Amino acid sequence: NAGVMQNPRHLVRRRGQEARLRCSPMKGHSHVYWYRQLPEEGLKFMVYLQKENIIDESGMPKERFSAEFPKEGPSILRIQQVVRGDSAAYFCASSPGRILSYEQYFGPGTRLTVT
Amino acid sequence: DQQVKQNSPSLSVQEGRISILNCDYTNSMFDYFLWYKKYPAEGPTFLISISSIKDKNEDGRFTVFLNKSAKHLSLHIVPSQPGDSAVYFCAASAGLQGAQKLVFGQGTRLTINP
Repeated sequence: NAGVMQNPRHLVRRRGQEARLRCSPMKGHSHVYWYRQLPEEGLKFMVYLQKENIIDESGMPKERFSAEFPKEGPSILRIQQVVRGDSAAYFCASSPGRILSYEQYFGPGTRLTVT
Repeated sequence: DQQVKQNSPSLSVQEGRISILNCDYTNSMFDYFLWYKKYPAEGPTFLISISSIKDKNEDGRFTVFLNKSAKHLSLHIVPSQPGDSAVYFCAASAGLQGAQKLVFGQGTRLTINP
């Protein structure tokens, strides 16, 4: 049973370019979460999606960041016009969405470096 | 405002002894708590969880204790093994009330010495 898959694992972008991070949840999981980890800090929640719906985007910066989880295909976190402060590890997690089952399972992360 | 705090950035324990990692929270809406282990350049791995209706949950060498009145939880690992060396994150959610996002502490780096 494959775990959460993220690609690319490493991404280098110049300031002003766009970054696209992809996440495929575990088989049978319909809920996807994105978190960001800055150096020497804990993970910070960004957005929670179900298929074709954004459920909670309270952690997303208001500008340049967007996320989607289409009916078919992986979830995408998109960062437009990247700046140096966007350099971080971005983790995707998934959960089955069952009642009383709140564990989230994480992918290996995408390490974004903005030069 | 740091709602989940792990006040010890690092902890060193001898192999075979007990490791105790601590976590405090401030938001009384939190009702579900989880511990994750993280190796460098990897994603967090789920270890163990506990809901607010319990005060203890055990899984093999790992036990989590929850003290709701003190808003404190701890993870006990016994016996500690070298492979337990990693960063441990405490996380909380108001999952039982439908708010599923996890709020993480800053992490504690555990080193197990042979």
